[in-house]
Formats: sequence, C-alpha cells, structure tokens
Amino acid sequence: DTEVTQTPKHLVMGMTNKKSLKCEQHMGHRAMYWYKQKAKKPPELMFVYSYEKLSINESVPSRFSPECPNSSLLNLHLHALQPEDSALYLCASSQDFGVLREQYFGPGTRLTVT
Amino acid sequence: SQELEQSPQSLIVQEGKNLTINCTSSKTLYGLYWYKQKYGEGLIFLMMLQKGGEEKSHEKITAKLDEKKQQSSLHITASQPSHAGIYLCGAPETSGSRLTFGEGTQLTVNP
Repeated sequence: DTEVTQTPKHLVMGMTNKKSLKCEQHMGHRAMYWYKQKAKKPPELMFVYSYEKLSINESVPSRFSPECPNSSLLNLHLHALQPEDSALYLCASSQDFGVLREQYFGPGTRLTVT
Repeated sequence: SQELEQSPQSLIVQEGKNLTINCTSSKTLYGLYWYKQKYGEGLIFLMMLQKGGEEKSHEKITAKLDEKKQQSSLHITASQPSHAGIYLCGAPETSGSRLTFGEGTQLTVNP
C-alpha cells in the first residue's frame, strides 16, 4: 500500500480565516513533505519533516505553519492567507530523508483564498 | 540549483503510437524520478532511476537514465487514452535531498 491521504479535497477560505490541511500515511515513512503547486507549474517544496522534526523550511511565509504531531500525520495550519496563496497543496512521504527513496504523493487539497 | 528541462512541452499522439519524453539536466543527476499527474490531482509515482545506464519498465512504460546521468527518457509503447496526463521528471540536488521538477510534458492520446 502506497497511499497518502489528504483532507479536505477542496477548501475555500477568506483572508481572515484560520484553517488546517491534513495529511496521513500508514506506510511507516519517517519523512513527510508539503508542496505547493500553482496552475500549469510543477510542485514547489515548502517544508520537509524528518522523524517528526522540521528539517527544511523553504522560506515559506509564517502564515503557513506546519505541524507533525506523530510519524503518520502532517498538518498545515493556514492563517491570514492572500489570494495568491490559492493553489493545489500536495503532501508526500518517503521512507526517510537524506537518502534516495521513492516519494509518494497524496491527491492534494485545492485551496481557494477569497 | 538543479534545473531540469523537459521536452517536448506537449505531445498529441494517436492511440497505439509509441512516444518518448526527455528530461535533461545541466548537472550530474544523483537520481531521477518520473511522475504522472492528471490535472488538479496528485502525482502518481512511476519510477525512480539511480544508476547510470539503468532502465526500468512498468507495463508499457520504460524509463532510462543515460550513462553520464544527465539525461533520462520515458518511453510509452502502444499508447492508450489512459496514458494521457502530465509527465513530470524530478531530481534531488544531492543524494536524497529536496526534489526539483521539470516543467512537465502534457500528453494527449486520441482514440
């Protein structure tokens, strides 16, 4: 089983709202990732968690706050977003980070900021 | 930083035809990933290549990494409408580090 699940599938939020995206995997992977993908563009890395600790933050604005409560779960907390933050947010996982491994993606959350 | 160039940008073929998508790097690749994406959906892992000259196949899709590890090709034999989508190559900047992706190749297969 190589499934990464993400909820919700779609999210519409206002600029003053607080919302969270959720990602889950049960493959025993110890590395989890958040990517942002704008229309007709490739995914861009936002954050990497390795063994539940933040390893990489690609200079992402603080209105995006990642959290890794346990090895299976990854959240992305959203607050005071801008319309330009509207995008497809993808979660991924791999067995570990720092070694070449297969990286599996979830179906994504389509976020619209109004 | 790692830059990957994919060609062609888009491709329209008749069902049953063979096709090839290329991914070229200006630097030696530590590894190369191929993914397929339907518009607005997640990336589906196809294959990962690591060694120069390596070739992997899954069903009708074959991916190769050249000996110099600077170019990879994805070949689809006897294409079907189910092969339609965006094909992305991705590569780590160093072994096992963050992935950067090419711009993608949009494949359309006409029945």
